[in-house]
Amino acid sequence: AQSVTQPDIHITVSEGASLELRCNYSYGATPYLFWYVQSPGQGLQLLLKYFSGDTLVQGIKGFEAEFKRSQSSFNLRKPSVHWSDAAEDFCAVGAHTGTASKLTFGTGTRLQVTL
Amino acid sequence: DGGITQSPKYLFRKEGQNVTLSCEQNLNHDAMYWYRQDPGQGLRLIYYSQIVNDFQKGDIAEGYSVSREKKESFPLTVTSAQKNPTAFYLCASSIWGVTEAFFGQGTRLTVV
Repeated sequence: AQSVTQPDIHITVSEGASLELRCNYSYGATPYLFWYVQSPGQGLQLLLKYFSGDTLVQGIKGFEAEFKRSQSSFNLRKPSVHWSDAAEDFCAVGAHTGTASKLTFGTGTRLQVTL
Repeated sequence: DGGITQSPKYLFRKEGQNVTLSCEQNLNHDAMYWYRQDPGQGLRLIYYSQIVNDFQKGDIAEGYSVSREKKESFPLTVTSAQKNPTAFYLCASSIWGVTEAFFGQGTRLTVV
């Protein structure tokens, strides 16, 4: 079964500083990987996804993530954080069998941005 | 606009009562999902359905029930057997065979 680990529960960065959120996954085959963002009391919005091909993927709001198979990681990065990026971010791994497609989520990282 | 609509946004239930959460999508997606979210635990899968009239248990199905009579609708019933139902519930949908999911805005259920 697949699993996702987000080791950082809470991260605080200053506006304009760079950001990296860590994500490690466990899955036996080539994974489908996602980062979602959630504002308080809201649903989840997709930031970016990796299915195959180029291991550096670009997403919305200036976010990017790099898939590293050797490290089983899919870390989220942003060169310069904006105050509006404050939210909770979730990494997820997707698995598709012949009969089902499912996402497994990490426990999330809460991002706080100081002005 | 296409999307997923969950209702109500807030729901209060007395202990011992069943309650049904609504989820409707107009994205023409085959697959639909229910997740439960608790602080510090991420999202946990309750039930999912790949096609009409078929659904499977997820990781935490005990105390919950679902139906899938129409492609657009996937209601979740939280029964009195669910010991700790207070949580934020999220519905999602996807194209069959593609794991990228689209989410509704959630329903916050509180047992009083």
